[in-house]
Amino acid sequence: GNSVTQMEGPVTLSEEAFLTINCTYTATGYPSLFWYVQYPGEGLQLLLKATKADDKGSNKGFEATYRKETTSFHLEKGSVQVSDSAVYFCALMNYGGSQGNLIFGKGTKLSVKP
Amino acid sequence: KAGVTQTPRYLIKTRGQQVTLSCSPISGHRSVSWYQQTPGQGLQFLFEYFSETQRNKGNFPGRFSGRQFSNSRSEMNVSTLELGDSALYLCASSSSGHLYNEQFFGPGTRLTVL
Repeated sequence: GNSVTQMEGPVTLSEEAFLTINCTYTATGYPSLFWYVQYPGEGLQLLLKATKADDKGSNKGFEATYRKETTSFHLEKGSVQVSDSAVYFCALMNYGGSQGNLIFGKGTKLSVKP
Repeated sequence: KAGVTQTPRYLIKTRGQQVTLSCSPISGHRSVSWYQQTPGQGLQFLFEYFSETQRNKGNFPGRFSGRQFSNSRSEMNVSTLELGDSALYLCASSSSGHLYNEQFFGPGTRLTVL
């Protein structure tokens, strides 16, 4: 079946540090991959996405590359800010009858200290 | 354009009761998906509706049900509440009926079962 595994948190970094949150997936076919962010007390916001192998999604300084050979979609940011503190979810959506069904990882809580 | 709205934002119920949650999608969106978020199980897909029809369903007991109206607004109902139903219930809407389109999430309804 389809599943997403992401590194467990919490992750605590100092401001301007480099961020990597690992995400690997298991899926049949060719899923689309996503990173969502959840700020305290809020719903999920789409951070970035990639729909095919070797695509790079990017937004607000965050990047992730769809690596089919390693089934990975790691999230990176070169210099984090306090305002990036949130929970980050890696997710996939597979087609072929699974419309509207995002499969999420467990989430990684990021805390950035000034 | 207004975002996805969910009502109520907070609910407290007791075991055995039933509850109805409401979701209004972004104007023009015809697909509505529901997710349950708990600390233990993370984010899990409940069901998806498109044009008043349930198109996809997750692995939840029959106590969880939903429907969609002609204006695309959706409701989900949980009958015979259990303590384990305490969760954040998230609704997401998207525009497409065929291929993937980005899902936009609402702020969620926090349900507490006592």
